[in-house]
Amino acid sequence: AQRVTQPEKLLSVFKGAPVELKCNYSYSGSPELFWYVQYSRQRLQLLLRHISRESIKGFTADLNKGETSFHLKKPFAQEEDSAMYYCAPSGGNNTDKLIFGTGTRLQVFP
Amino acid sequence: DVKVTQSSRYLVKRTGEKVFLECVQDMDHENMFWYRQDPGLGLRLIYFSYDVKMKEKGDIPEGYSVSREKKERFSLILESASTNQTSMYLCASSEGPAEFFGPGTRLTVL
Repeated sequence: AQRVTQPEKLLSVFKGAPVELKCNYSYSGSPELFWYVQYSRQRLQLLLRHISRESIKGFTADLNKGETSFHLKKPFAQEEDSAMYYCAPSGGNNTDKLIFGTGTRLQVFP
Repeated sequence: DVKVTQSSRYLVKRTGEKVFLECVQDMDHENMFWYRQDPGLGLRLIYFSYDVKMKEKGDIPEGYSVSREKKERFSLILESASTNQTSMYLCASSEGPAEFFGPGTRLTVL
């Protein structure tokens, strides 16, 4: 069965510290992977996708097929990064269907 | 700028009532999605539609139905609302995997 795991419900760091939000997936085939973010009182939005291999707001995510992981990283966290983050692979029979993880709340303290 | 709008931000209904949640997008997207978002469970796909009058069940379709009579509009219907359907409902649209989300409708069933 297709599954995605975000092991941390809450991650708290101080401003300037490195951040890594973990995501592991269990999928057949070659899924596309996405990270979504939801800031307080804002709508959910796409943060980045693995195929673009770009850095958005200082965040990067590398797909590790051997470990089936897609961890989200930022070297220096900012207070405005505080939000809910969801990892979402797509694939299976329909590549437009996303399976969302349970989410990790990132709190960045000043 | 893609706009996905949902008919209500907050809705309170009674058990057994029929509930309609409306979603409209203005970017001529093929795909539209309905998710529900619950703390600790992340986002779960209820239904999605890849074309007018076409629909496909997501992971938790029980108790829900959908309608897509026009490309820009995707409706979620709760035939007989129950208290376990109290949740935040998110609509999304995209040409591929869900990318543009609406602001959400917080439904409370009493």
